Amino acid sequence: GAGVSQSPSNKVTEKGKDVELRCDPISGHTALYWYRQSLGQGLEFLIYFQGNSAPDKSGLPSDRFSAERTGGSVSTLTIQRTQQEDSAVYLCASERGQEHGYTFGSGTRLTVV
Amino acid sequence: DAKTTQPPSMDCAEGRAANLPCNHSTISGNEYVYWYRQIHSQGPQYIIHGLKNNETNEMASLIITEDRKSSTLILPHATLRDTAVYYCIVRVDEGSSNTGKLIFGQGTTLQVK
Repeated sequence: GAGVSQSPSNKVTEKGKDVELRCDPISGHTALYWYRQSLGQGLEFLIYFQGNSAPDKSGLPSDRFSAERTGGSVSTLTIQRTQQEDSAVYLCASERGQEHGYTFGSGTRLTVV
Repeated sequence: DAKTTQPPSMDCAEGRAANLPCNHSTISGNEYVYWYRQIHSQGPQYIIHGLKNNETNEMASLIITEDRKSSTLILPHATLRDTAVYYCIVRVDEGSSNTGKLIFGQGTTLQVK
């Protein structure tokens, strides 16, 4: 597609439930990134996929968070046993190469009640 | 931790040039300087990046000092739509992959009046 697509755009879930957030990157972009942004805060790096290399998971805040990228394209970020502090906007970005920069999606706003 | 320092906020009169400074005194020789901006409630948008030379595109100009320890993003004729948070980021060197995670700091909130 023309841009990075994320779904759902909004998600309200009960504390303790699992959620899955989806990211469709731009076709041909080899790198895919997940960030999150809590209200009034900056962007926090979560995880990074590059081609067939092992992902850089150094930003995942706990083992309740995981992500996968199937076939080098679509990625799913899963949060298990959600907590209220997980409430944030989760942003996905893809990139062809550093000379082009990231293209971000519009994000998924997650609210844990 | 972010490797850059930016003023938390700046004002600019509409139609005038906005000059946004950034210090990156610990930058390595092969690390790029990137600029992104985030307009309220949207995902960040790539603006420009550079290594050593000054760069210009349709959005902005990037001036990098000779010692590479600081840079300035210039929006030549600021409009109200340029009101946003502007992030200056030094790219973490990921080696041969030509991509890599960006660590966002708090940025500069530019208010165009």
